[in-house]
Amino acid sequence: AQRVTQPEKLLSVFKGAPVELKCNYSYSGSPELFWYVQYSRQRLQLLLRHISRESIKGFTADLNKGETSFHLKKPFAQEEDSAMYYCALYRSGAGSYQLTFGKGTKLSVIP
Amino acid sequence: KAGVTQTPRYLIKTRGQQVTLSCSPISGHRSVSWYQQTPGQGLQFLFEYFSETQRNKGNFPGRFSGRQFSNSRSEMNVSTLELGDSALYLCASSPVGGPSPLHFGNGTRLTVT
Repeated sequence: AQRVTQPEKLLSVFKGAPVELKCNYSYSGSPELFWYVQYSRQRLQLLLRHISRESIKGFTADLNKGETSFHLKKPFAQEEDSAMYYCALYRSGAGSYQLTFGKGTKLSVIP
Repeated sequence: KAGVTQTPRYLIKTRGQQVTLSCSPISGHRSVSWYQQTPGQGLQFLFEYFSETQRNKGNFPGRFSGRQFSNSRSEMNVSTLELGDSALYLCASSPVGGPSPLHFGNGTRLTVT
């Protein structure tokens, strides 16, 4: 079965410091991975997906199949980055589709 | 385009009752999926509907059911409510399902007393 692990429930960093939100997954197939973000009083929304290889709001994430990781990084944290971040793994096969979420990491950027 | 709309926003029910939650997807989106969010378990997949057919189901008891209408609107029903069903229920839509990005609603907060 697939699993997504976000080892940190809470991560506090100072403004301007680098940020790394960890995500590890277990899945026997070829993974499709996403980061979703929920800002205060807003709905959950997509931040980025690994196949796009984009940088969104300064965040990037690289899929490391050897380490089965998909860590989210930003070189300089901003106060507006404070939010709840969820890593998610998409599984498909035999007509079955499912998105499995990690339990989330709350990022707090200290001014 | 209007976003995903979920009604009602809040519900308070008693153990043993049943409840129906509604979700209107973004116009043109044919896939609707449902998630249960709790502090302890996080976001857990309930089921996904596409063109009125349940395409996938998570690991929840049969008390949890859903359906999708021809206009892609979806409802979720929970029968014989238990205290542990108290949660935020999120609905998400996407154009065709699969690995395409999900667009979430604000959720329905269900409290079972």
